[in-house]
Amino acid sequence: GQQLNQSPQSMFIQEGEDVSMNCTSSSIFNTWLWYKQDPGEGPVLLIALYKAGELTSNGRLTAQFGITRKDSFLNISASIPSDVGIYFCAGFSIQGAQKLVFGQGTRLTINP
Amino acid sequence: NAGVTQTPKFQVLKTGQSMTLQCAQDMNHEYMSWYRQDPGMGLRLIHYSVGAGITDQGEVPNGYNVSRSTTEDFPLRLLSAAPSQTSVYFCASGSRVNTEAFFGQGTRLTVV
Repeated sequence: GQQLNQSPQSMFIQEGEDVSMNCTSSSIFNTWLWYKQDPGEGPVLLIALYKAGELTSNGRLTAQFGITRKDSFLNISASIPSDVGIYFCAGFSIQGAQKLVFGQGTRLTINP
Repeated sequence: NAGVTQTPKFQVLKTGQSMTLQCAQDMNHEYMSWYRQDPGMGLRLIHYSVGAGITDQGEVPNGYNVSRSTTEDFPLRLLSAAPSQTSVYFCASGSRVNTEAFFGQGTRLTVV
């Protein structure tokens, strides 16, 4: 079945640093989504990408839909304490089974 | 706006008991899905539905049943609870056009 490989699994950074994480797949996706999950809460959508090569920003967050449609990355600039949490990538394909699949998540910890 | 509502928020079951986790959305979304989240495993798809009357299996469907009699509701049934089903369960809904999934707050289930 479709699988997403998300890396890194965890990151420990200093406040103010930039962050980069990515997802890769052996399958082609039509949509890439990036979510953030705070403790005890459900994932919240950060950025949605619909076209290969698309680069989208949401404040300090920037994400790109890879040109091959098999990968995506998320960058966070100038990290702040409230960026702490788990970040998930998710991919959706209109071919075959129409289901959204998730990466394993990247746990971000920030030292003040 | 209510969005995606899950009940209950917490539940303790004894092995062998059955129960239904409720999920309702008020956004007229066609796509609904159930995930379980376990430490280090990310979000794994249990079952999903692309519309009323249509359901399909995800990655980990064993031990769970679903039905979709209305657009708004997508209950998840545990037929005979097992300790391996101890997890946090999330329901999500989305438009088939956009495919962005919006999550509920989760149900934390413990099977003893």
